[in-house]
Amino acid sequence: GAVVSQHPSWVICKSGTSVKIECRSLDFQATTMFWYRQFPKQSLMLMATSNEGSKATYEQGVEKDKFLINHASLTLSTLTVTSAHPEDSSFYICSAPGLAGDGQFFGPGTRLTVL
Amino acid sequence: AQSVTQLDSHVSVSEGTPVLLRCNYSSSYSPSLFWYVQHPNKGLQLLLKYTSAATLVKGINGFEAEFKKSETSFHLTKPSAHMSDAAEYFCVVSPGTGRRALTFGSGTRLQVQP
Repeated sequence: GAVVSQHPSWVICKSGTSVKIECRSLDFQATTMFWYRQFPKQSLMLMATSNEGSKATYEQGVEKDKFLINHASLTLSTLTVTSAHPEDSSFYICSAPGLAGDGQFFGPGTRLTVL
Repeated sequence: AQSVTQLDSHVSVSEGTPVLLRCNYSSSYSPSLFWYVQHPNKGLQLLLKYTSAATLVKGINGFEAEFKKSETSFHLTKPSAHMSDAAEYFCVVSPGTGRRALTFGSGTRLQVQP
């Protein structure tokens, strides 16, 4: 089946620094990828839709200048958390849709801890 | 617009007994519905999906779900729980074929007692 990878799987950074998270579709092309955030013991919330070759679409309440998304190729989308703060600590998960009816394939997630 | 409601935040069963995780949905479109499982510190794994074919959907690990349009429900069941089934389960809805963004339910934590 289709595989989506994320890197890194976990990262700890100091407050004020920026962190880049990569999402790759390993054996298929994805013109669209989705970024979700999951706080402890909560459900996944959609942050943004990443579109290859064009600007990302952000959900209401998500700061586009803080969460920079770049979808530079058909197999790679990156999420950069700029000037991270402790409240940005969360589990970030990406997904890519498969063929019609296949649903979506999720990456393993990246746990971000901001000190 | 679409939404999904998981009626129980926690469900506890004994090993070997049936499992029922309840889900109701709302969608303006003919929806695709999914159940995903998330084990601690692990990624999401697709259990099963409904995409307008058979209303009774069989998934992995003995799970199945029935799409009931009249009740707007998509409950997840398993005849006999196993210890390894303990995890967080998410009911998910998407418009159309599931290629668009997913809307997640709040999750149900399943505990399996020995």
